[in-house]
Amino acid sequence: NAGVTQTPKFRILKIGQSMTLQCTQDMNHNYMYWYRQDPGMGLKLIYYSVGAGITDKGEVPNGYNVSRSTTEDFPLRLELAAPSQTSVYFCASSRGTSGAPGETQYFGPGTRLLVL
Amino acid sequence: AQKVTQAQTEISVVEKEDVTLDCVYETRDTTYYLFWYKQPPSGELVFLIRRNSFDEQNEISGRYSWNFQKSTSSFNFTITASQVVDSAVYFCALSPYMDSNYQLIWGAGTKLIIKP
Repeated sequence: NAGVTQTPKFRILKIGQSMTLQCTQDMNHNYMYWYRQDPGMGLKLIYYSVGAGITDKGEVPNGYNVSRSTTEDFPLRLELAAPSQTSVYFCASSRGTSGAPGETQYFGPGTRLLVL
Repeated sequence: AQKVTQAQTEISVVEKEDVTLDCVYETRDTTYYLFWYKQPPSGELVFLIRRNSFDEQNEISGRYSWNFQKSTSSFNFTITASQVVDSAVYFCALSPYMDSNYQLIWGAGTKLIIKP
């Protein structure tokens, strides 16, 4: 199994451009998450999804959008990129079978985004 | 408040020394989960351990051990006979059962440098 995969690995955007970060998992996990990691910091949750067609905001959702049309894919959309969105973005998934928090989350390799 | 504090920003030791990474957490919940993740220089996040609040037994896995003490709200991580490959940033994270939005609440991380 590949686990959680993310593309691209690195991207440079100009201010005002938009892009989609791709995330795919092959573990048949119900729950998926997007985090951002700023330098010297822990991760902060942007959006999460508990199943296809269901998404909800995390701690820092402004400037981002998500969709979940399939169990496997959870793309993150940046509209009107700003320098404050320069960060490393991690996608994660967890089984979600218990319907409760506390499950182990498994992470993709990350996407490094630079907005200039 | 839900919070994780890793007071040690950076630790540097010589190979084969033992090293302990501290993690102190705050939560209103009586049920919660604690995690440690490793982030090597390559950037991925590697899951190390998950512990629930009802299980205060210490855990040992090879050279790694974890000391969970509810009385002091701590979940410390010890590496015995450290090796250069242990060099990484280590994150402690909290998942409260009731008030989490499914997110992991992360500490800022401790950068561990193992010198040969």
